[in-house]
Amino acid sequence: AQTVTQSQPEMSVQEAETVTLSCTYDTSESDYYLFWYKQPPSRQMILVIRQEAYKQQNATENRFSVNFQKAAKSFSLKISDSQLGDAAMYFCAYRSAWFGNEKLTFGTGTRLTIIP
Amino acid sequence: NAGVTQTPKFQVLKTGQSMTLQCAQDMNHNSMYWYRQDPGMGLRLIYYSASEGTTDKGEVPNGYNVSRLNKREFSLRLESAAPSQTSVYFCASSMGLQNTGELFFGEGSRLTVL
Repeated sequence: AQTVTQSQPEMSVQEAETVTLSCTYDTSESDYYLFWYKQPPSRQMILVIRQEAYKQQNATENRFSVNFQKAAKSFSLKISDSQLGDAAMYFCAYRSAWFGNEKLTFGTGTRLTIIP
Repeated sequence: NAGVTQTPKFQVLKTGQSMTLQCAQDMNHNSMYWYRQDPGMGLRLIYYSASEGTTDKGEVPNGYNVSRLNKREFSLRLESAAPSQTSVYFCASSMGLQNTGELFFGEGSRLTVL
């Protein structure tokens, strides 16, 4: 079974600075998807960014980018120019690309605090 | 566009009572899921349905039953609620592997079992 590990329960960053959230995963599969979801106090789960394992290029969405290291099974999220609205729980998630195994497995989350 | 709708948003039960959480999606998605979220545990999969007419157990299925009523609706039932089932429950849906695998979530339902 796949596992996802987020080793940082809490992180904090000064507003406008850059922060990196860590995620590692364990799998024997070669094809899969990785995601970062954001959960603000409203409780809504919001997709931040996705990465297909077959793509070597790291995904980027505005101020959010990932560092995907397939051999190391590492998938970190970098938030640049942090804003107060970035304060939230962030969850890393893994999904197999094999048909019939379409479950999302989540890490335990990292709570990000933005310091004004 | 409503997306994924869960009801109720909040519920308080006594131990031994039963209830059903309802979920509906209007995105014509094939797959639907029920997760529970507990502090320090992340989201854990209870049951999922890859397509209409099929359901499969996830990581923590004990104490729950599900019904995929049609393509739009996927309900979660607690037959005899226990305090350990106090949690926030999320329903989600996805098109399946025809796309990039993203799950779309409802707003969550907070359940307290006394």
